[in-house]
Amino acid sequence: NAGVTQTPKFQVLKTGQSMTLQCAQDMNHEYMSWYRQDPGMGLRLIHYSVGAGITDQGEVPNGYNVSRSTTEDFPLRLLSAAPSQTSVYFCASSVTGGRGNTIYFGEGSWLTVV
Amino acid sequence: AQTVTQSQPEMSVQEAETVTLSCTYDTSESNYYLFWYKQPPSRQMILVIRQEAYKQQNATENRFSVNFQKAAKSFSLKISDSQLGDTAMYFCAFMKNTGNQFYFGTGTSLTVIP
Repeated sequence: NAGVTQTPKFQVLKTGQSMTLQCAQDMNHEYMSWYRQDPGMGLRLIHYSVGAGITDQGEVPNGYNVSRSTTEDFPLRLLSAAPSQTSVYFCASSVTGGRGNTIYFGEGSWLTVV
Repeated sequence: AQTVTQSQPEMSVQEAETVTLSCTYDTSESNYYLFWYKQPPSRQMILVIRQEAYKQQNATENRFSVNFQKAAKSFSLKISDSQLGDTAMYFCAFMKNTGNQFYFGTGTSLTVIP
């Protein structure tokens, strides 16, 4: 079972470069989200989507863009990378409706901005 | 806004002993879900246990159990018969009933000592 797949797993960027973190899920989940994890900060929500064509901002959205053209894919774009965006990024998916289903996480993407 | 607080950055326990990790949260919601996630060094996020706020009975999963005190907004995790494989970072998380956005605590690093 693939679950939630994130690529790349590791990436080094120079300040000002742009890149896209890819996320795909094969569980037909409506809800997808991106989190970043920084030391001592836990996971913080960047952006989320409740279905194809619908996205919204989370707790820390600045510097990131997302789109949701299909149910399966939810890419995260860094428009102009900054050292403050050095972090571990997690994509996640779940069904909507607050039914308490667990959230499924990808394995994480380690991003370093130099 | 929802907040989740884990006041124990680091804890250790002898193998086979019992340890309790603390978590408190703040919310004005009446219906919600609480979770404990385990994150080993691989950084994979693994669901340990889930509690629905409307259920008075504390959730249990094998060696893992919770003490859910709704009025006190407390949600502690008890690990019995600790094993070396339990060494990991543990995150407490909150989810509103009306959505799938998770709010995470800052984590507790647990070390099981042989």
